[in-house]
Amino acid sequence: EAGVAQSPRYKIIEKRQSVAFWCNPISGHATLYWYQQILGQGPKLLIQFQNNGVVDDSQLPKDRFSAERLKGVDSTLKIQPAKLEDSAVYLCASSPGDGTNSPLHFGNGTRLTVT
Amino acid sequence: QKEVEQDPGPLSVPEGAIVSLNCTYSNSAFQYFMWYRQYSRKGPELLMYTYSSGNKEDGRFTAQVDKSSKYISLFIRDSQPSDSATYLCAMGDSSYKLIFGSGTRLLVRP
Repeated sequence: EAGVAQSPRYKIIEKRQSVAFWCNPISGHATLYWYQQILGQGPKLLIQFQNNGVVDDSQLPKDRFSAERLKGVDSTLKIQPAKLEDSAVYLCASSPGDGTNSPLHFGNGTRLTVT
Repeated sequence: QKEVEQDPGPLSVPEGAIVSLNCTYSNSAFQYFMWYRQYSRKGPELLMYTYSSGNKEDGRFTAQVDKSSKYISLFIRDSQPSDSATYLCAMGDSSYKLIFGSGTRLLVRP
């Protein structure tokens, strides 16, 4: 079974620029998550999709962050404009979402540095 | 008060030692408890998954949940240098929204 794929692996941008991250979940997984992991901290949920609908985006800074999951498969997370405090690893995770509460499977993340 | 508290470490032990990692939590609605291992520059990988109170064993790893005390533990027996990583506890309620601890860095010295 192929894992969760994310790209790019690394990104360096200047503050006020925009950036986008891409995620391809495990095939057949209905639930997709984006987490932000700041150095030395645990992952924090930004947004959760069930198929192509948003389940929870309560911690997404909507003035600068946006996410979409077209056709219920791939997803993109965008930041515009970026701030210094957005420097973090952005992790995508997926789960079957079939009501069995299966654990999350994570990708290796995109490491963002904002200068 | 954070919902999930975890000692950041680092915890340094000699090879072969028994390691005990712990988390406390405040939300009594948590039903699902997980331990993830995260190597440097990698995503978290699931180690143990338990539902409600009790013990679960998988090879050298034992997960323990005490809901009455709001306390979970992960024990690693016969620790190996390859176990050196950050260990994250995670918990979820019926909505399955996971809350992670901040992680404990473990170093197993050869």
